[in-house]
Amino acid sequence: TQLLEQSPQFLSIQEGENLTVYCNSSSVFSSLQWYRQEPGEGPVLLVTVVTGGEVKKLKRLTFQFGDARKDSSLHITAAQPGDTGLYLCAGAYNTNAGKSTFGDGTTLTVKP
Amino acid sequence: DAMVIQNPRYQVTQFGKPVTLSCSQTLNHNVMYWYQQKSSQAPKLLFHYYDKDFNNEADTPDNFQSRRPNTSFCFLDIRSPGLGDAAMYLCATSSTLAYSYEQYFGPGTRLTVT
Repeated sequence: TQLLEQSPQFLSIQEGENLTVYCNSSSVFSSLQWYRQEPGEGPVLLVTVVTGGEVKKLKRLTFQFGDARKDSSLHITAAQPGDTGLYLCAGAYNTNAGKSTFGDGTTLTVKP
Repeated sequence: DAMVIQNPRYQVTQFGKPVTLSCSQTLNHNVMYWYQQKSSQAPKLLFHYYDKDFNNEADTPDNFQSRRPNTSFCFLDIRSPGLGDAAMYLCATSSTLAYSYEQYFGPGTRLTVT
């Protein structure tokens, strides 16, 4: 069973602060996804990383895939209340019959 | 726009009364998933279809069944809902042709059991 540990579980910060969410595993992934979920809605795909060491930026969000493809981080610069939500990482294997392993999620609250 | 659609968005059923949730997709993806999600937790995979092949998770109760009559549609049947089955049910799709296996989720169905 592949496990994906996500930290922190809860994060409450003031608007304008920076934060980093981590996703760690002992397994190597073919790709890793980050999703954001708002209350009452389904998760929305933010980014996919596939290459070890890859860095992707989405406005104020920076995603990094570890060199060994076992871990990833999400960094948010100058957080805004609109960033509030549940952030999920998910690791995928190309030999796992279409399944992904999800982290337990990070609930982010950004206070105005 | 290509998308994943879930109906209804909100479903109320009585304890023990069978209920069916539906999911359709216009993405033409070959894999479809059903997840159960409880408050502030990560989605929990119940089962998925890889093409026509049904894959049940080992800890999914027998109370939960699924049907996929064609590529576009997938149904979740809860035969005898209990109070513990109240949750958000998420449908998702992915394509094994896209090696990244990223999943696209529907908006979910919030199930209430009275």
